[in-house]
Amino acid sequence: AQSVTQPDIHITVSEGASLELRCNYSYGATPYLFWYVQSPGQGLQLLLKYFSGDTLVQGIKGFEAEFKRSQSSFNLRKPSVHWSDAAEYFCAVGAASGNTPLVFGKGTRLSVIA
Amino acid sequence: NAGVTQTPKFRILKIGQSMTLQCTQDMNHNYMYWYRQDPGMGLKLIYYSVGAGITDKGEVPNGYNVSRSTTEDFPLRLELAAPSQTSVYFCASSYAGGNNEQFFGPGTRLTVL
Repeated sequence: AQSVTQPDIHITVSEGASLELRCNYSYGATPYLFWYVQSPGQGLQLLLKYFSGDTLVQGIKGFEAEFKRSQSSFNLRKPSVHWSDAAEYFCAVGAASGNTPLVFGKGTRLSVIA
Repeated sequence: NAGVTQTPKFRILKIGQSMTLQCTQDMNHNYMYWYRQDPGMGLKLIYYSVGAGITDKGEVPNGYNVSRSTTEDFPLRLELAAPSQTSVYFCASSYAGGNNEQFFGPGTRLTVL
């Protein structure tokens, strides 16, 4: 069965600074990887996903993530954070077979300071 | 497309009461899911369904029941509410299984007193 670890519970960055949120997964085959964002009081929205091909994927709102098989990681990055990026971010992993639901990490809360 | 809709948005229950959380999707998705979210604990899967008439337990099914009589609807039933069920509940759907994007509803905030 697959699993996901998000090592950072809470991160604070200054507006305009770069951001990297970590995600490590465990899965025996090539995983399907997702990053979701949850703004306060809202449901989850997909930021980006990786299925195959180019290991650097672009998402919405200026986010990108890089799949590194050797490190079992799928870290989310943004070059310049905006105050509106303050939210909770969830990494998720899915099995290629698709016969089990996505497994979500516990999330990383991002705070943005002026 | 409304996507995934959930009702009610908020609810306060007394211990021992029952209620049904409603979830509807208009994307003709086969898979539907119920999660609960507690502070700092991420999302925990309660039940899911791979199609009408088929449901399966997730990580935390105790105290909940589900049914799926149509493709569109996936209600979650709490029979005897307990304070431990105070949480935010999210419904989600996807076209296919765990290698597909899930679409989430806005959530129902439930308090059991």
